[in-house]
Amino acid sequence: DGGITQSPKYLFRKEGQNVTLSCEQNLNHDAMYWYRQDPGQGLRLIYYSQIVNDFQKGDIAEGYSVSREKKESFPLTVTSAQKNPTAFYLCASINSGGVNTGELFFGEGSRLTVL
Amino acid sequence: SQQGEEDPQALSIQEGENATMNCSYKTSINNLQWYRQNSGRGLVHLILIRSNEREKHSGRLRVTLDTSKKSSSLLITASRAADTASYFCATVPNAGNNRKLIWGLGTSLAVNP
Repeated sequence: DGGITQSPKYLFRKEGQNVTLSCEQNLNHDAMYWYRQDPGQGLRLIYYSQIVNDFQKGDIAEGYSVSREKKESFPLTVTSAQKNPTAFYLCASINSGGVNTGELFFGEGSRLTVL
Repeated sequence: SQQGEEDPQALSIQEGENATMNCSYKTSINNLQWYRQNSGRGLVHLILIRSNEREKHSGRLRVTLDTSKKSSSLLITASRAADTASYFCATVPNAGNNRKLIWGLGTSLAVNP
């Protein structure tokens, strides 16, 4: 079945370490998104990518980096520069029509905890 | 930036009752979408309603949109314990970068058996 796979589901990191969260989709979607969710909060956009080899900063990109070398993959690196990285991270994708016509498909999320 | 605001923030009802959640937004929109999130899971799309539509149905879900009041409501009829989740509205603004959804803070719904 088509879908979005995020890994790992749980991740623990020591302060000062970079970590990379994986996001893979087999929906043949052009656009992919990374969101951060904190307890009792809505979703905040970190980065998004409309096509391969292109991506844009969202509202809270500082301390994060991404790459989009393949259509199927959009990994997110949480760097040591991110001051408060403990959060639930969600990856999503959408077809070429974008949010004007369609819905986002989400992965199951990755919960990052900084020790 | 958050545009949508859902109310109530939390809602607790008995199985079989109806649940109504509201969403207000600030700017002109292309469409408004409702999503559901079970605890610790990803979001699942429920309904998309366009700015020229007033009402949509999907199973036990009914969504209304009032663009003059910049508000939407999600009604879940004959609720079940399995409907327990957080519900988010998200808007696609007409102006600016309309590749980005603007998310509300969500309504936490508890349906008690």
